[in-house]
Amino acid sequence: GENVEQHPSTLSVQEGDSAVIKCTYSDSASNYFPWYKQELGKRPQLIIDIRSNVGEKKDQRIAVTLNKTAKHFSLHITETQPEDSAVYFCAGGYGSSNTGKLIFGQGTTLQVKP
Amino acid sequence: DAGVTQSPTHLIKTRGQQVTLRCSPKSGHDTVSWYQQALGQGPQFIFQYYEEEERQRGNFPDRFSGHQFPNYSSELNVNALLLGDSALYLCASSYLPGAHNEQFFGPGTRLTVL
Repeated sequence: GENVEQHPSTLSVQEGDSAVIKCTYSDSASNYFPWYKQELGKRPQLIIDIRSNVGEKKDQRIAVTLNKTAKHFSLHITETQPEDSAVYFCAGGYGSSNTGKLIFGQGTTLQVKP
Repeated sequence: DAGVTQSPTHLIKTRGQQVTLRCSPKSGHDTVSWYQQALGQGPQFIFQYYEEEERQRGNFPDRFSGHQFPNYSSELNVNALLLGDSALYLCASSYLPGAHNEQFFGPGTRLTVL
């Protein structure tokens, strides 16, 4: 089936600490895994993504790792800042080269305390 | 360079009515996907349009229908509205419809069914 599980549902950290959010995916995923950040009342914003030909990708304070054997991928945010507070969604791309959809995890509400 | 735009921003309807939501993709994109996001949940895939055809459909009833125009913009129509249709409706655009392609979201239309 098509399923993405995300944990934890809420995460509270002190400013400057690191935050890690984990997701697992079902077999049929296409090996494209984006992460979105959604602030209250706003659109989901693509912050980073990874494809199966790499195990890790970094963009400043954000990194994503992918473990294909275990079928899980994680978002790592270092040196967290209050503006990182938002809901984060992982997703898996399902389909083919001709058509695709994103299956989303349930979301993680990240709170960064000043 | 305009991003993905949607109209209207908010909409209030009563049960049994019909609604049409509109989406213009990001410049250079030719594919539009529609998602429904209930409060506190991740977006759920409704369908995807490419070359003016529905390419893939999620687990939504026939009351949900769509259209894509030659300029790549798209409409989502929902007939016989139910209370449970109240949600944020998001469209996402991409260049080509494949499962590996980045999808960028619009700001959404908040639909309330009374």
